[in-house]
Amino acid sequence: QKEVEQDPGPLSVPEGAIVSLNCTYSNSAFQYFMWYRQYSRKGPELLMYTYSSGNKEDGRFTAQVDKSSKYISLFIRDSQPSDSATYLCAMKNQGGKLIFGQGTELSVKP
Amino acid sequence: DGGITQSPKYLFRKEGQNVTLSCEQNLNHDAMYWYRQDPGQGLRLIYYSQIVNDFQKGDIAEGYSVSREKKESFPLTVTSAQKNPTAFYLCASSTRTGDRNQPQHFGDGTRLSIL
Repeated sequence: QKEVEQDPGPLSVPEGAIVSLNCTYSNSAFQYFMWYRQYSRKGPELLMYTYSSGNKEDGRFTAQVDKSSKYISLFIRDSQPSDSATYLCAMKNQGGKLIFGQGTELSVKP
Repeated sequence: DGGITQSPKYLFRKEGQNVTLSCEQNLNHDAMYWYRQDPGQGLRLIYYSQIVNDFQKGDIAEGYSVSREKKESFPLTVTSAQKNPTAFYLCASSTRTGDRNQPQHFGDGTRLSIL
């Protein structure tokens, strides 16, 4: 079993939809949770960084962490064609290495 | 602008040849990392370095080598011992606040292919 599981998609939604991207994990020691966005032929770009359970909002993006269920989510409101990319979750414990999910490919259709 | 520069963007390797991928950062970050990205497999850690003149193997170090002679530079050599080198290679760096590594920031990658 992989430490971090992420549905690879692809996920296709119409412009303006609310998108939900999810990851589950097995290591209860993970404390730091990140979401990266990766456009084609580019490096991952950090979108959200959270340390504890709960919600963190940044513009149209909301990151949610539920440590009791070992589940994290990224919500995108009012999705735009420019949001079309691969989204990677990543997580680590203190002093540990960063573990990535496989990435979810998102396509937002105009 | 501060950032991480990887070069070249595309690289082709002949059988039996060693090739070196460049990674330079001007963010003054202490830690640097090399990842390999294959379709459907996410990112896998090859090597990392927390300080100059020191580095550690990651999960898939076989067939690769690195050096860290300067804080801003962390080149990766893909040796002929790496039998399946075709992949997208990503370099990242991070800083530390107290005893905690901050999130990693990535370069735009080098795509390596076999000729």
